[in-house]
Amino acid sequence: DVKVTQSSRYLVKRTGEKVFLECVQDMDHENMFWYRQDPGLGLRLIYFSYDVKMKEKGDIPEGYSVSREKKERFSLILESASTNQTSMYLCATRTVKETQYFGPGTRLLVL
Amino acid sequence: DAKTTQPPSMDCAEGRAANLPCNHSTISGNEYVYWYRQIHSQGPQYIIHGLKNNETNEMASLIITEDRKSSTLILPHATLRDTAVYYCIVRGDNAGNMLTFGGGTRLMVKP
Repeated sequence: DVKVTQSSRYLVKRTGEKVFLECVQDMDHENMFWYRQDPGLGLRLIYFSYDVKMKEKGDIPEGYSVSREKKERFSLILESASTNQTSMYLCATRTVKETQYFGPGTRLLVL
Repeated sequence: DAKTTQPPSMDCAEGRAANLPCNHSTISGNEYVYWYRQIHSQGPQYIIHGLKNNETNEMASLIITEDRKSSTLILPHATLRDTAVYYCIVRGDNAGNMLTFGGGTRLMVKP
């Protein structure tokens, strides 16, 4: 079974803090994704990566950056957290057959 | 991606089969039908996907009509743990990296 793990299930941070969200997958997939999910807005793509050290902006990259130093690990960074970044953050990994597998999510609250 | 239409909610008795319909009348020939579910406060979970033949795995069966304009996800013996929002998604291989979730069907399995 594909396993996608995220570093935290729940996180509370203050405005202006730097926040790191980590995602690790154990299936050697090239493609990894970061989404945020908000009520009424569905899933929105923040960034994705198709190889080590490669990254592409999704639909809402502003305020975020990512890092992919190793194939199995994809990190999402909030350089200076703001209250409008309070959300559920989901990491996903994709097989060559386009099936996306999601991690359990990190619910981030920015005060 | 083709648009999908699902009923907003359904109830099912525990132990009975849950049949979740999805309409995708604008599906094109190279687009697959995917089903995911999301249990409250968790990340989306892949269930099954298919192109035109019926598919079955350890979680569910997928029945796609001959004209491919609709499909049904079948959970053969629903348990309380199957209570979740079920999403039907249609996408092709060239759909890019976005995975767009619509409203889905909220399935309530009742004892």
